[in-house]
Amino acid sequence: SQTIHQWPATLVQPVGSPLSLECTVEGTSNPNLYWYRQAAGRGLQLLFYSIGIDQISSEVPQNLSASRPQDRQFILSSKKLLLSDSGFYLCAWTLGSENTEAFFGQGTRLTVV
Amino acid sequence: GENVEQHPSTLSVQEGDSAVIKCTYSDSASNYFPWYKQELGKGPQLIIDIRSNVGEKKDQRIAVTLNKTAKHFSLHITETQPEDSAVYFCAAPVNTPLVFGKGTRLSVIA
Repeated sequence: SQTIHQWPATLVQPVGSPLSLECTVEGTSNPNLYWYRQAAGRGLQLLFYSIGIDQISSEVPQNLSASRPQDRQFILSSKKLLLSDSGFYLCAWTLGSENTEAFFGQGTRLTVV
Repeated sequence: GENVEQHPSTLSVQEGDSAVIKCTYSDSASNYFPWYKQELGKGPQLIIDIRSNVGEKKDQRIAVTLNKTAKHFSLHITETQPEDSAVYFCAAPVNTPLVFGKGTRLSVIA
């Protein structure tokens, strides 16, 4: 069966520090991968999605970046965090087209102080 | 671009009553309409979905209806229970990844 792992679960980082959140999927190959952010009490904002290695689309220009070094690994990074980067970050995957179920990780609660 | 509007943002119902959440979408090419449930501190999970070739789908106490002409779809939860309390999201992808509504916080009062 397929599983998705996302870590860390919680993170407190000072303003200006770097960020690296990691997500891996097991049990499938060539998944579509996504990073979403959820601000407190708000909806899911799509940040990045990838349909293959080195194929990453950015939906919201900001100081975050994403990389996909392996087929089932998706990394969200920042060189210098801002206070406004605080939120709940979710990784997700789908198989094939967008017309299928999306499976989410358990999320990372990021607090920038 | 694709736009998904969801209402209401919060909903409180008495245990045993029904709850209805509505979404509208802008792109007539949308053909897949999922609903997700998010419990506190967790990632969303799919609870039901519907494709454009049907108008209604049921799974025990939950159902989804779709009106393609009006471009809206709704989630219906009957005989609500305290464990139904959560945030619910609709989505309507087209040629982009899943675009979600803003979410509805449902509270079931015992």
